[in-house]
Amino acid sequence: DTEVTQTPKHLVMGMTNKKSLKCEQHMGHRAMYWYKQKAKKPPELMFVYSYEKLSINESVPSRFSPECPNSSLLNLHLHALQPEDSALYLCASSPFEIMNTEAFFGQGTRLTVV
Amino acid sequence: SQQGEEDPQALSIQEGENATMNCSYKTSINNLQWYRQNSGRGLVHLILIRSNEREKHSGRLRVTLDTSKKSSSLLITASRAADTASYFCATLRSYNTDKLIFGTGTRLQVFP
Repeated sequence: DTEVTQTPKHLVMGMTNKKSLKCEQHMGHRAMYWYKQKAKKPPELMFVYSYEKLSINESVPSRFSPECPNSSLLNLHLHALQPEDSALYLCASSPFEIMNTEAFFGQGTRLTVV
Repeated sequence: SQQGEEDPQALSIQEGENATMNCSYKTSINNLQWYRQNSGRGLVHLILIRSNEREKHSGRLRVTLDTSKKSSSLLITASRAADTASYFCATLRSYNTDKLIFGTGTRLQVFP
């Protein structure tokens, strides 16, 4: 299994809602990532988990709250978002030796905040 | 934070022609990777070149890396309409091996 699975594929939420994005991989990878991508822009790194611990937070607003319940799962909890947070949210994972190999990406969740 | 700039921002060519995309970056790196993205969905890894390598090939892809100029290029030979996509370089910094940062990307359109 070489897939990273993200659910849901599409999400529409109001500014007062609380929702969660889910990411799952069964490749035994030790690092998992959240990226945000606006239209016609490159992916921007948000968070990195290494061995289930948060290792990088790229100064992301607290309305985005990541969680790594186990080595296969990564969640992104959303609360009180703004319309400008509408974007494609991408999850990725990589093996221990990322210096020698690539990151595997999910198909993303397209989020619309209304 | 963005690590690299890519040029051109957009490229249109006919099938059968070669496409060259360039990437420049700012800091010391462990490796540089190229990814492809169709229609704003997931990214697919194409090729990885380590900082001590100068050139790498994979099928119709050829990547070069010049660490002295902090630049890389991706050449797609004999392009096909199916190569139409956005192409991004991404760098893994030498002092933080968890941080994969993407360049600005090149949108490639290949006309049949």
